Amino acid sequence: AQTVTQSQPEMSVQEAETVTLSCTYDTSESDYYLFWYKQPPSRQMILVIRQEAYKQQNATENRFSVNFQKAAKSFSLKISDSQLGDAAMYFCALKGNTGKLIFGQGTTLQVKP
Amino acid sequence: KAGVTQTPRYLIKTRGQQVTLSCSPISGHRSVSWYQQTPGQGLQFLFEYFSETQRNKGNFPGRFSGRQFSNSRSEMNVSTLELGDSALYLCASSIGVLSSYEQYFGPGTRLTVT
Repeated sequence: AQTVTQSQPEMSVQEAETVTLSCTYDTSESDYYLFWYKQPPSRQMILVIRQEAYKQQNATENRFSVNFQKAAKSFSLKISDSQLGDAAMYFCALKGNTGKLIFGQGTTLQVKP
Repeated sequence: KAGVTQTPRYLIKTRGQQVTLSCSPISGHRSVSWYQQTPGQGLQFLFEYFSETQRNKGNFPGRFSGRQFSNSRSEMNVSTLELGDSALYLCASSIGVLSSYEQYFGPGTRLTVT
């Protein structure tokens, strides 16, 4: 069975600072994809970043980057220069051969002005 | 391109009733997946449809069903509603079924069962 675990229910960061959200996963598949989704109060799920398991290079999207440690099955999200608009719930998700997304429990990020 | 749309956005039903939710995918997307989000269970996969065929099903009772039409629009139905069915139901579409394809989510339907 595939599982995704986010051990930080809540995180807080000062505006303009950097924050890292943690995620670990488990899968027996060798080919899979990892995602971070953002869900603001509007509840609209927004794709933040994706990582292909076969790629060693960590994905980066503007202020968002990941630290993908395949052997440790770890996939953390780093948000640099945090902005008030980054406040949301963040979900780590795994997608394997079945095509369905397996989500973690989510981390609520608070950004303080 | 228009995003994924879901109707209705909010719904209040009584226990024992049935409900149908609708999802229109992004134009050109042929795969539609449904997820249930609750505070207690988080986000859970319900089912996936591709070319009018159910490709995957999550661990939900038979009261939950769905279908997909030839234009890729999808509906999900919940019969004999229970209080525990109160949730945000999210629909996501993707171009196809390969794992590499990203899923784009709609705004969700908030179902309240009283």
